[in-house]
Amino acid sequence: GESVGLHLPTLSVQEGDNSIINCAYSNSASDYFIWYKQESGKGPQFIIDIRSNMDKRQGQRVTVLLNKTVKHLSLQIAATQPGDSAVYFCAENYGGSYIPTFGRGTSLIVHP
Amino acid sequence: EAQVTQNPRYLITVTGKKLTVTCSQNMNHEYMSWYRQDPGLGLRQIYYSMNVEVTDKGDVPEGYKVSRKEKRNFPLILESPSPNQTSLYFCASRSGGGVGNTIYFGEGSWLTVV
Repeated sequence: GESVGLHLPTLSVQEGDNSIINCAYSNSASDYFIWYKQESGKGPQFIIDIRSNMDKRQGQRVTVLLNKTVKHLSLQIAATQPGDSAVYFCAENYGGSYIPTFGRGTSLIVHP
Repeated sequence: EAQVTQNPRYLITVTGKKLTVTCSQNMNHEYMSWYRQDPGLGLRQIYYSMNVEVTDKGDVPEGYKVSRKEKRNFPLILESPSPNQTSLYFCASRSGGGVGNTIYFGEGSWLTVV
């Protein structure tokens, strides 16, 4: 079946830098995408989502970009802080499905 | 506060000894699901439920059972646990399918089978 994947398993950045976490998806029918953050010892938490009729969506310090042409999703974190250190998952959803497909996750390490 | 609560959070058990991991959500969500998370494999769905008395297999259902007698509860049952079921388990719920409906996860249950 079609699946969601991540380009980099680990990303190390310095505090204050901007971080970019990438995700490739293969299901062109997907119409909803979600980013989750999972801190050590905790469950995944919703960060931001984007619908397929949008190219960009901004939250507080986070921006998600969607490029449907190349089936690529990215999460940008501005002024990365040590508290941003976590594993980040992307997920894709299509139609009215209740069951998203999750990527394997990227570990973001922020050095003070 | 919207919550998905699972118990126990940590458990060490022996092979073959039946155990149940409970899950409860307070958001009146129809959809609930169990995932296991293993290094390098990400989240894999075990079972899910679309409503009371409606359950279905996910990607890795072998060795697990579930039940959905009430809307808020969705326990995961390991009738005869084996070491390959050592994993981190997450319960999740969702109000609806598709756009705009995010998934809420519990805090996770670390299970070790020796």
